[in-house]
Amino acid sequence: QVQLVQSGAAVRKPGSSVKISCKAPGGTFTTNTINWVRQAPGQGLEWMGRILPTPGITNFIPKFHDRLSLTADKSTSTVYLQLSRLTSEDTAIYYCARVDGRWFGGGLDSWGQGTLVTVSS
Amino acid sequence: DTVLTQTPLSLSVTPGQPASISCKSSQSLLHTDGTTYFYWYLQKPGQAPQLLINEVSNRFSGVPERFIGSGSETDFTLTISRVEAEDVGVYYCMQNKHLPYTFGQGTKLEIK
Repeated sequence: QVQLVQSGAAVRKPGSSVKISCKAPGGTFTTNTINWVRQAPGQGLEWMGRILPTPGITNFIPKFHDRLSLTADKSTSTVYLQLSRLTSEDTAIYYCARVDGRWFGGGLDSWGQGTLVTVSS
Repeated sequence: DTVLTQTPLSLSVTPGQPASISCKSSQSLLHTDGTTYFYWYLQKPGQAPQLLINEVSNRFSGVPERFIGSGSETDFTLTISRVEAEDVGVYYCMQNKHLPYTFGQGTKLEIK
């Protein structure tokens, strides 16, 4: 199975930003949709948004609209999530997850190992 | 948003016995292309979720045959025909017919 590799845990202060990376194997990188899902401590899964690296189109849920950025670097097969104006409610494990070769539908068939983001003063 | 409601939220099953989880959607997940965009995932303790079932009833690669997905449009069921110890974890349903993608609340399976 395809392995997605995420960056390590991060601790941030309220009001700051965090940028998480998700590296996918090359080859079909540009045709895979990368989704971001987060899980607050002891809670369920929340889909945040997705990116199709080529042509760089994105969707994300309205509550993140003005502080979430999803980008892709095709030269390194890496996708980035940047979340700004952090609050304690953003403390969570952030996962990237792939849909293979399609923009609409499809199961999230490969997941990163997760990145714990802790927001604390 | 499309709300997915799972029941029960927890269940305790003796190894070798069956288990069943229901997921009901607030909207039909059947697309005009004939596909129903509904999935099941298992999150084992301390791990990332893993895909079990694609599009209602198609087991993902490597998923044992004891996992059976069924249902249509708004009502879906995951059945484990004979539960094994390795099946413990939290099961989530998910839809991606409608944006935003949404997950059910999760059902925690434990072994008696």
